[in-house]
Amino acid sequence: DGGITQSPKYLFRKEGQNVTLSCEQNLNHDAMYWYRQDPGQGLRLIYYSQIVNDFQKGDIAEGYSVSREKKESFPLTVTSAQKNPTAFYLCASSEGQGGPETQYFGPGTRLLVL
Amino acid sequence: AQSVTQPDIHITVSEGASLELRCNYSYGATPYLFWYVQSPGQGLQLLLKYFSGDTLVQGIKGFEAEFKRSQSSFNLRKPSVHWSDAAEYFCAVGARTGNTPLVFGKGTRLSVIA
Repeated sequence: DGGITQSPKYLFRKEGQNVTLSCEQNLNHDAMYWYRQDPGQGLRLIYYSQIVNDFQKGDIAEGYSVSREKKESFPLTVTSAQKNPTAFYLCASSEGQGGPETQYFGPGTRLLVL
Repeated sequence: AQSVTQPDIHITVSEGASLELRCNYSYGATPYLFWYVQSPGQGLQLLLKYFSGDTLVQGIKGFEAEFKRSQSSFNLRKPSVHWSDAAEYFCAVGARTGNTPLVFGKGTRLSVIA
């Protein structure tokens, strides 16, 4: 089945620790996205990538980093600089060919701070 | 830049009653418009989308939405709500120029009572 997988489903971070959230897609999409979701805040864009080896900051990039070394993978690292990382993180992808772009979402990772 | 407003944070309807969720957007041209649904702890699922043509769009699970340019609105409707429709609903807008991420509203939580 084609789709987007995110792992792990739950992730715990200790103070001062960096953690990495995985996002993999087998839809052959060029574009991938990371969103953060907090109650009552909707979805806020962290980073996005339109092509391999290139990515752009979204609205709330501070304290996060990404890489895009492969088309199918777009991992997100939550660094120790992110002081309030507890949230639900959603990865998405789209064809990235320009024009109308439907974004497809993974099941999400919930990050909690110990 | 585009933006989306969902005026209702939380709506409660009785099972079998009709439903309308409001969405207003801001964008200088005709946008691409989407409605997504999210069950607790899950990713977002696409309900329907408007790109061009007929302004009344049919989606999955018996939902429909109507694009009204004069009102900058894209309201979601369902004639008879089922208990399984209880979820959070997000409206999103995409730009027609370039390949940019969707902008999401803050969501409307739907509760269904017997």
